[in-house]
Amino acid sequence: SQQGEEDPQALSIQEGENATMNCSYKTSINNLQWYRQNSGRGLVHLILIRSNEREKHSGRLRVTLDTSKKSSSLLITASRAADTASYFCATVQGGSEKLVFGKGTKLTVNP
Amino acid sequence: DAGVTQSPTHLIKTRGQQVTLRCSPKSGHDTVSWYQQALGQGPQFIFQYYEEEERQRGNFPDRFSGHQFPNYSSELNVNALLLGDSALYLCASSPTDLYGYTFGSGTRLTVV
Repeated sequence: SQQGEEDPQALSIQEGENATMNCSYKTSINNLQWYRQNSGRGLVHLILIRSNEREKHSGRLRVTLDTSKKSSSLLITASRAADTASYFCATVQGGSEKLVFGKGTKLTVNP
Repeated sequence: DAGVTQSPTHLIKTRGQQVTLRCSPKSGHDTVSWYQQALGQGPQFIFQYYEEEERQRGNFPDRFSGHQFPNYSSELNVNALLLGDSALYLCASSPTDLYGYTFGSGTRLTVV
């Protein structure tokens, strides 16, 4: 079963615009991670935020976490055509080793 | 520094057959996890291996089994293949007790 639900399922924007994706989950977590997947191939780890953190930055990425609402958001600023991919959030529960993924958001950045 | 290597890249099998997929983890990583990703879905956890033992298992039948070797490489075996086993199989590795996994490019399995 899948823990996370990304919203929206698909997002189409112009190059230079910002893209925001949201993730909701159901149970308490140890950490939440975001991954990118190009064309159904391997996933690339983008960023990890722990349950006691509220916001994290990495380059053009900003992730927020609200444990009271069981939700997270991923913001990609100044998007580029190369950002076109599917983005997944994945949660890790305390005492568990597994990543529990949502269904992903498919982002298309038009040049 | 090579990342996670999976083989083969693509595979076509007939229903009822058995298949073995292989994974070499990133250098310095000793933990290997396997995931199944159906088309249009997020990856689903199959199991994780550490110190040659299965440490945790997801909700998959016993037809799915695995192995980890002393050099940390791993195999995923699926017996009595079903059409529904068609998917992208992803291997991920990590160092001990650290989060943030490195994924391979996957093996695309098609069962006909």
